[in-house]
Amino acid sequence: AQKITQTQPGMFVQEKEAVTLDCTYDTSDPSYGLFWYKQPSSGEMIFLIYQGSYDQQNATEGRYSLNFQKARKSANLVISASQLGDSAMYFCAMREDMNSGGYQKVTFGTGTKLQVIP
Amino acid sequence: EPEVTQTPSHQVTQMGQEVILRCVPISNHLYFYWYRQILGQKVEFLVSFYNNEISEKSEIFDDQFSVERPDGSNFTLKIRSTKLEDSAMYFCASRRGYNQPQHFGDGTRLSIL
Repeated sequence: AQKITQTQPGMFVQEKEAVTLDCTYDTSDPSYGLFWYKQPSSGEMIFLIYQGSYDQQNATEGRYSLNFQKARKSANLVISASQLGDSAMYFCAMREDMNSGGYQKVTFGTGTKLQVIP
Repeated sequence: EPEVTQTPSHQVTQMGQEVILRCVPISNHLYFYWYRQILGQKVEFLVSFYNNEISEKSEIFDDQFSVERPDGSNFTLKIRSTKLEDSAMYFCASRRGYNQPQHFGDGTRLSIL
């Protein structure tokens, strides 16, 4: 079974609009972390936002927020006020704290390609 | 802001040759990782390294691969005898401690001819 599922291979959004990128995860580990990374066409992997499984509040970083619904095992990324520079591939990822033996490798989803339209 | 640096940005190598990919993690980080991303596919874990030894490796990380932290700052990935299917983007990552996010380098694009 996939640990991280991103069901939207591609998304379009109008500049200045908000967009939600979906991510669901599967783990039996009581302690885990969820991440979103941005990968522009140039290829680098840019850390955007992190949510711990025990965090009570949804994480926010500037225009990025993570809509964490633990019971549904979803961790959607919301980008507000989209900009042309937001066009990129977005990866959801998870770190499992117990299952990974403490060394906490990150497992990635297949990504969502976001294109911002002027 | 400190960052993970990787060199070279692009490496072209003949099949069967050895290649070494270099990474300088963020200086106060303790955990180090290599990941691979074949073109158009998702990022896959290769190996984690802590306290000067491999802590976990994936099934991809076979005997052709090795990692080293030779001098306390560099963290290298060596592929002994490259194959065409080793062509990919290779990312180095590091993190400071438990529950801290991993920070990735810009990657090395490896092309095997």
